[in-house]
Amino acid sequence: EVQVVVSGGDLVKPGGSLRLSCAASGFTFSNGWMTWVRQAPGKGLEWLGRIKPNADGGTIDYAPPVKGRFTISREDSKNMVFLDMTGLKTEDTAIYYCNIGVWCGNLLCDYWGQGTLVTVSS
Amino acid sequence: QSALTQPPSASGSPGQSVTISCTGTSSDVGGSIHISWYQQHPGKAPKLLIYQVNKRPSGVPDRFSGSRSDNTASLTVSGLQAEDEANYFCSSYVDDNLKLFGGGTKLTVL
Repeated sequence: EVQVVVSGGDLVKPGGSLRLSCAASGFTFSNGWMTWVRQAPGKGLEWLGRIKPNADGGTIDYAPPVKGRFTISREDSKNMVFLDMTGLKTEDTAIYYCNIGVWCGNLLCDYWGQGTLVTVSS
Repeated sequence: QSALTQPPSASGSPGQSVTISCTGTSSDVGGSIHISWYQQHPGKAPKLLIYQVNKRPSGVPDRFSGSRSDNTASLTVSGLQAEDEANYFCSSYVDDNLKLFGGGTKLTVL
């Protein structure tokens, strides 16, 4: 059974930092394309960035609003992916989701964590 | 880069078909194979319905289908059921290194 668990959400002051973690099991983690997506209260989805599998170069791409402030990393030996956030702003308040895509034969398997709430407020 | 454009709402009666549009540009929807559609029920994580324009992951009913014409992608839900009432989001990659989402469409089953 596939499990994706996101943790680390918290209340943080503007300008602060936070690390989110995403732990997954039930599939070959090292083959996964790891993406972070957030959703502000009552709003739509926003793509934050993605890290490719090391076999595909391990390239990391970021959305412009978070580039330079957020860092995505992965630790395949622990089946975990991380989102390090610095210089947090009130507009970063959102539910943060971890999304993993991995090929299951010829079909794409797409897994989501339950989301973790980050609140940026003084 | 702007978000993709979706109608804020759509509706249909049980058994009917509904089509939701997603309009972008030649740089994203019109030029990328990586167009996806997600379903999200309130308080839940999104669920992938369609990827690469018209492919369905395992377990997604064939009532859900995707297509694209020029810079507009579409999701069609056939044989509407009560449990289809949810928010639907489209997405597209730009140059393979930036993913855009649509603003979302709230589908109501009358």
